[in-house]
Amino acid sequence: DADVTQTPRNRITKTGKRIMLECSQTKGHDRMYWYRQDPGLGLRLIYYSFDVKDINKGEISDGYSVSRQAQAKFSLSLESAIPNQTALYFCATSDLLGKTQYFGPGTRLLVL
Amino acid sequence: DQQVKQNSPSLSVQEGRISILNCDYTNSMFDYFLWYKKYPAEGPTFLISISSIKDKNEDGRFTVFLNKSAKHLSLHIVPSQPGDSAVYFCAALNNAGNMLTFGGGTRLMVKP
Repeated sequence: DADVTQTPRNRITKTGKRIMLECSQTKGHDRMYWYRQDPGLGLRLIYYSFDVKDINKGEISDGYSVSRQAQAKFSLSLESAIPNQTALYFCATSDLLGKTQYFGPGTRLLVL
Repeated sequence: DQQVKQNSPSLSVQEGRISILNCDYTNSMFDYFLWYKKYPAEGPTFLISISSIKDKNEDGRFTVFLNKSAKHLSLHIVPSQPGDSAVYFCAALNNAGNMLTFGGGTRLMVKP
């Protein structure tokens, strides 16, 4: 079984809809992250959480919110999706040292 | 402005030859650097890393070189194999250890 799983793997939605992407991990890591990938721009950090009570904004948090439901679960929400949020979204985890992050398989989101 | 740049979007190499992927950064506060490899429909996977106190780290066919004065690092793959064909991301960790900044990626194609 994969250590970091993301659901759904693919999603098509319409402008203005609320959508939630979910991430679960079995690695026992405290730290979790959400990134988006756009062509030519690499991965950019949206939000990160160092434990259940800790939530921090990353480089591009506008238009997104997150919830850390448990150590193993970290969800990303788009309250009102817009077309420029069309991207590949990755969840990642790391241990307390935080030097190496382990990524999920990604969710491909298309906002029409 | 991108703090981590990979100026070559793609690279094609013959099997058995050396692949050299380059990465430049601008932020002197970065003190740990990583290379990730990404296959289609999968998340990035950690490949190799280097601390800013070193100038070289080797792991099998993969070697990362760091030139701090030039703010430049490179990944050498010798010998290159067709299975190395993937997108490679350079990433830098800030000295607070809470944020990875990625380059835009280089697509490596190793021809048989």
